[in-house]
Amino acid sequence: DSGVTQTPKHLITATGQRVTLRCSPRSGDLSVYWYQQSLDQGLQFLIQYYNGEERAKGNILERFSAQQFPDLHSELNLSSLELGDSALYFCASTPGRSSYNEQFFGPGTRLTVL
Amino acid sequence: GDSVTQMEGPVTLSEEAFLTINCTYTATGYPSLFWYVQYPGEGLQLLLKATKADDKGSNKGFEATYRKETTSFHLEKGSVQVSDSAVYFCARSGGGADGLTFGKGTHLIIQP
Repeated sequence: DSGVTQTPKHLITATGQRVTLRCSPRSGDLSVYWYQQSLDQGLQFLIQYYNGEERAKGNILERFSAQQFPDLHSELNLSSLELGDSALYFCASTPGRSSYNEQFFGPGTRLTVL
Repeated sequence: GDSVTQMEGPVTLSEEAFLTINCTYTATGYPSLFWYVQYPGEGLQLLLKATKADDKGSNKGFEATYRKETTSFHLEKGSVQVSDSAVYFCARSGGGADGLTFGKGTHLIIQP
């Protein structure tokens, strides 16, 4: 158990809909990273938040957004969903702001868009 | 941009065989290098890491050495077990604020 929690575990929805994925980092960790894992694209970095502020963006679509709240949990919002958004979404946390150190991954949320 | 290349497999070995999974990375900056493992239905777990050239990461019988001259971080284990069956990901740090850049993953199957 990494100490990172993600909810829900599974999510099934329809094209055009909007969903919110939730992540709680390990106690004391200030950074949250979001990743997407799909069969064709592999594991891709989406976005990082550090202590409530957006710190870095990767291959995140404009239909996707994220935020980190004062209690440090983070939410990833996916809107106008398409079939190709079906994937596993992981969050990871670290104590500091740099990716040079180990990231601790949650169990993931599996999103299925029908 | 940054990239990581690793053999995709599946790699099928018999129990007690020697394992090598090759990984090379783009040489921009001074990245940290990682091997993560993913068991079926689970998230990624850190297997080992190295933060500078010539560092050797090791854990649970697995080893990898940070080779700057060949931009490689190959994973090795002397004697694999059935319980090592999983998907293995090589990754590099993006430097500073960026997230990790992962290879495509290598599916390892160990047969008894």
